[in-house]
Amino acid sequence: SQKIEQNSEALNIQEGKTATLTCNYTNYSPAYLQWYRQDPGRGPVFLLLIRENEKEKRKERLKVTFDTTLKQSLFHITASQPADSATYLCALGAGNTDKLIFGTGTRLQVFP
Amino acid sequence: DAGVIQSPRHEVTEMGQEVTLRCKPISGHDYLFWYRQTMMRGLELLIYFNNNVPIDDSGMPEDRFSAKMPNASFSTLKIQPSEPRDSAVYFCASRTGGSKLFFGSGTQLSVL
Repeated sequence: SQKIEQNSEALNIQEGKTATLTCNYTNYSPAYLQWYRQDPGRGPVFLLLIRENEKEKRKERLKVTFDTTLKQSLFHITASQPADSATYLCALGAGNTDKLIFGTGTRLQVFP
Repeated sequence: DAGVIQSPRHEVTEMGQEVTLRCKPISGHDYLFWYRQTMMRGLELLIYFNNNVPIDDSGMPEDRFSAKMPNASFSTLKIQPSEPRDSAVYFCASRTGGSKLFFGSGTQLSVL
C-alpha cells in the first residue's frame, strides 16, 4: 500500500544551524511534492512545491530536494530561528488525481 | 480575503449524537477537501469536491459520515451517530486549479 514516512520523533536543533527534515515514500509515483508548516491549533500552511522533473527548489531560507529514484524529499531550513519551530508536513500529489496525501509530519524545535 | 472559514472551532458532544461541521471555502476556489487529523494517523483525506460535486469519498470511514456541498460557498460534514473514536481535528481546505491547498483553522471534535 502507499506509504509516506516522516520522522516521528521531534528534531531539536540550535538556532543558526541548518534543519533537515526527511520525507520518504513507497508504492507511489508522485507528479509533485509539497511541504507545509503547521503551528499548534492551526491548519497547515503551504511552503513549497517541487515537481518530479525538478531536483531542487529554493525560497528564502528554505530548500527542498526531490529524488524520485530514492523516493525521498529533503527539506532544509538554513540559519534556523526559534520562530521556525513547528510541525512540517510533506504531501504527495499524483498527476492523474486531485488528491493530496500527507505524511504524519515532523516536529521541529529550534532552541536559542 | 478571510481565508477558509470553519465552524465551530470546538465541538464537544456525547456518543450517539449528530455532529455537523461547516466550511466556507475561499471565494473562487472550485475544489474543496475535508481532512481528519489525529496523532496516530496524521492528516487523512476524507472526501473532496470539484465544482460542488463529490469526486472521491473513498476516505470516508463508514456510512455514519456524510458530506455535502449545496453551493460553491458552503460545505458540511456530518457524523451520525457520533462515536468516541471520531474524536479528532477536522480540517477543510480549498484551492483553485493549482495544487496548493488553503486550510481552515479546523474543528476540534470531542465525542464523550
